[in-house]
Amino acid sequence: DVKVTQSSRYLVKRTGEKVFLECVQDMDHENMFWYRQDPGLGLRLIYFSYDVKMKEKGDIPEGYSVSREKKERFSLILESASTNQTSMYLCASSRKGLAFSYEQYFGPGTRLTVT
Amino acid sequence: QKEVEQNSGPLSVPEGAIASLNCTYSDRGSQSFFWYRQYSGKSPELIMFIYSNGDKEDGRFTAQLNKASQYVSLLIRDSQPSDSATYLCAVSDTDKLIFGTGTRLQVFP
Repeated sequence: DVKVTQSSRYLVKRTGEKVFLECVQDMDHENMFWYRQDPGLGLRLIYFSYDVKMKEKGDIPEGYSVSREKKERFSLILESASTNQTSMYLCASSRKGLAFSYEQYFGPGTRLTVT
Repeated sequence: QKEVEQNSGPLSVPEGAIASLNCTYSDRGSQSFFWYRQYSGKSPELIMFIYSNGDKEDGRFTAQLNKASQYVSLLIRDSQPSDSATYLCAVSDTDKLIFGTGTRLQVFP
């Protein structure tokens, strides 16, 4: 069974703080993803990674950075949190496909509130 | 911009009925298609995936794919109140997935 874990379920931070969200998967997946989900906007891809030390921007990378030092761990960093980054953050992982995408498995999510 | 469209709902069906959820996508080159279920406050959970035209059945769930019409659907037979959730359609884009905004399903007793 695939397991994706996230460091916190709920987090409250102040404007301007640096925030770290951690994600760990135990299935040796090559691909890892960070999304945010907001009502009416659906899932939006922030960053993804195909391999250790590799990262690619998604649709909304502004204000975020990522780090992947080990295959199983993918971190999302908010350099200076702002109130418009209040959201549900979801991490996912998948195998790397050759001709098509494999299914993604999601962690439980972190609900971040920035005050 | 590649897009995945779903009706936001809510789709209301009585218990025991068939619920039909639909999704259209814009990229003709998409190869794989997924349905996720998301309960309120929880993360998406994979229900089914389909790669080939036609139907794929798994228990009470049937996924249907028509690549010519760029259309994928999910049928839920014998709907239960516990099926009440938001259903997300996702379509492949190389190694990424593009998600629709979801259809909210309500199954009433």
